[in-house]
Amino acid sequence: SQQGEEDPQALSIQEGENATMNCSYKTSINNLQWYRQNSGRGLVHLILIRSNEREKHSGRLRVTLDTSKKSSSLLITASRAADTASYFCAAGGGSNYKLTFGKGTLLTVNP
Amino acid sequence: DSGVTQTPKHLITATGQRVTLRCSPRSGDLSVYWYQQSLDQGLQFLIQYYNGEERAKGNILERFSAQQFPDLHSELNLSSLELGDSALYFCASSSRQQETQYFGPGTRLLVL
Repeated sequence: SQQGEEDPQALSIQEGENATMNCSYKTSINNLQWYRQNSGRGLVHLILIRSNEREKHSGRLRVTLDTSKKSSSLLITASRAADTASYFCAAGGGSNYKLTFGKGTLLTVNP
Repeated sequence: DSGVTQTPKHLITATGQRVTLRCSPRSGDLSVYWYQQSLDQGLQFLIQYYNGEERAKGNILERFSAQQFPDLHSELNLSSLELGDSALYFCASSSRQQETQYFGPGTRLLVL
């Protein structure tokens, strides 16, 4: 079963705007990871935030984690057309670190 | 480029057939994970191997099996294929100390 649930399912913005995607999960986690996928291609790892962290930055990406609400958000600032992709959150739990993915948010950045 | 390789990139076969998907993890990574991505089920964890041993099983059908060899490459075997097995199959690898999983480009399987 899907543990992560992204919101919204689809998001369309203009270049230069910020994009925010939210993710909720159901059980306790070791970490939460965000991935990007371009049109049916491979998954690219974006950022990992551990369960004892609240916020993390990487370039134009900002991720927050609220374990009390079992939710995370991914903010992409100053978006570019090249950011057009599907974004997935993945909950990492257990000793084997397997990931449980959400259904993803399709982000379209219009030039 | 994640450093994880998968072959073949595309595979077209018929129902009832058997196929083998191959994955080579990043250099030094001992853990290999297999995932299936389909339109209706999304991304689902199938199975994990660590240094040749099975570590965890997810939503893997009995018709599917996997193994990890001494050189750490892994193979996913899919048998008695059905139309519903058509999907993208991803392999990912990670090191013992890292939780980040690096994904390969995937194998797109089409069962006709």
